[in-house]
Amino acid sequence: NAGVTQTPKFRILKIGQSMTLQCAQDMNHNYMYWYRQDPGMGLKLIYYSVGAGITDKGEVPNGYNVSRSTTEDFPLRLELAAPSQTSVYFCASSFVGDGVKNIQYFGAGTRLSVL
Amino acid sequence: SQELEQSPQSLIVQEGKNLTINCTSSKTLYGLYWYKQKYGEGLIFLMMLQKGGEEKSHEKITAKLDEKKQQSSLHITASQPSHAGIYLCGAESGYSTLTFGKGTMLLVSP
Repeated sequence: NAGVTQTPKFRILKIGQSMTLQCAQDMNHNYMYWYRQDPGMGLKLIYYSVGAGITDKGEVPNGYNVSRSTTEDFPLRLELAAPSQTSVYFCASSFVGDGVKNIQYFGAGTRLSVL
Repeated sequence: SQELEQSPQSLIVQEGKNLTINCTSSKTLYGLYWYKQKYGEGLIFLMMLQKGGEEKSHEKITAKLDEKKQQSSLHITASQPSHAGIYLCGAESGYSTLTFGKGTMLLVSP
């Protein structure tokens, strides 16, 4: 059972470079999320999607973009990397429906450093 | 917006001792989720509580939601090294999203 798969696991970027963090889930979940985790700060929601073709901003969306063309994939794009984007990024997915609670399943994370 | 405060921020316990982690909300909790994170890994779902006074247990971990639904506690009995990690509480902050606390780091010394 793969669950939620994130690639790459580690990445170092130079300021101004761009990259895409990949996230795929094989559980047929309708909801998907991107979080960032900074030391001592918990998880902050960047973007989320309630289904293919539908995305919405979370608490900290500036500097990021997302798309959801399929149920399985939810890539996160950094266009002009800045040192403030150095963080650990987590993708999560869940099945939400009538009477079904939002239990989110997480990937292993991508550690990104912007230098 | 909903805020969750976890206490303590960190703690070190001797193996075999009991411990409690608290999660306090600024608003009524309609769904409270407990997760565990090991260093360098993603979050693992532990338990979810909905009703005031509800209590759930899994192995040596018990989670409770108070009657007023503004505070939850996570209690570990007879701690083991495998319990070490970061524990996070999350609360429903709308139909689609969760808000998380900052986490409690637990170290278990032999």
